Amino acid sequence: EAQVTQNPRYLITVTGKKLTVTCSQNMNHEYMSWYRQDPGLGLRQIYYSMNVEVTDKGDVPEGYKVSRKEKRNFPLILESPSPNQTSLYFCASKQRGMGTEAFFGQGTRLTVV
Amino acid sequence: AQSVTQLGSHVSVSEGALVLLRCNYSSSVPPYLFWYVQYPNQGLQLLLKYTSAATLVKGINGFEAEFKKSETSFHLTKPSAHMSDAAEYFCAVIGEGGSEKLVFGKGTKLTVNP
Repeated sequence: EAQVTQNPRYLITVTGKKLTVTCSQNMNHEYMSWYRQDPGLGLRQIYYSMNVEVTDKGDVPEGYKVSRKEKRNFPLILESPSPNQTSLYFCASKQRGMGTEAFFGQGTRLTVV
Repeated sequence: AQSVTQLGSHVSVSEGALVLLRCNYSSSVPPYLFWYVQYPNQGLQLLLKYTSAATLVKGINGFEAEFKKSETSFHLTKPSAHMSDAAEYFCAVIGEGGSEKLVFGKGTKLTVNP
């Protein structure tokens, strides 16, 4: 089954404790991205990657890091989480091209206390 | 810069009534437009997309949307609402720049009353 898998689904952590949210896709997509969803703000792109070893900032990259060492994986790293990073995070993947469909993971609900 | 405006953060309809969710976009280049649906505790799922072919686009679950360039609109409709349509709906645009970034509206939460 074609899917984007994120882990964990839920995470509560403390301020400053490094964490990684994993994302994996099995569709051989070149393009992967991370979004955060906040009430009343919709989804905003954090980082994206057009191919292995190619990553770039989205609209809200501060406080986040990513890496793309393999085509299927695109982890999101919070080196020193803060309460304003409490949010619902989605990983997405798609084929290259403007009109292609993005496939989303189930989401990771992160709470930073 | 590209943007999407969804009028009405909450829309409530009766079962069997017409569903109309409004989306207006701003883009300096011909846009690609998408409607996604998010059911509770799930990720986003594509309903339909406009990619410069037919202006009336049919999607899954009986939804359709019409691209109107003169009005910069891409409203989503369904003739008869079902209880199962209760969800949050997001309009999104891709077009400007080379990042292939989806720019989302803030979403419209649809409630269907029995």
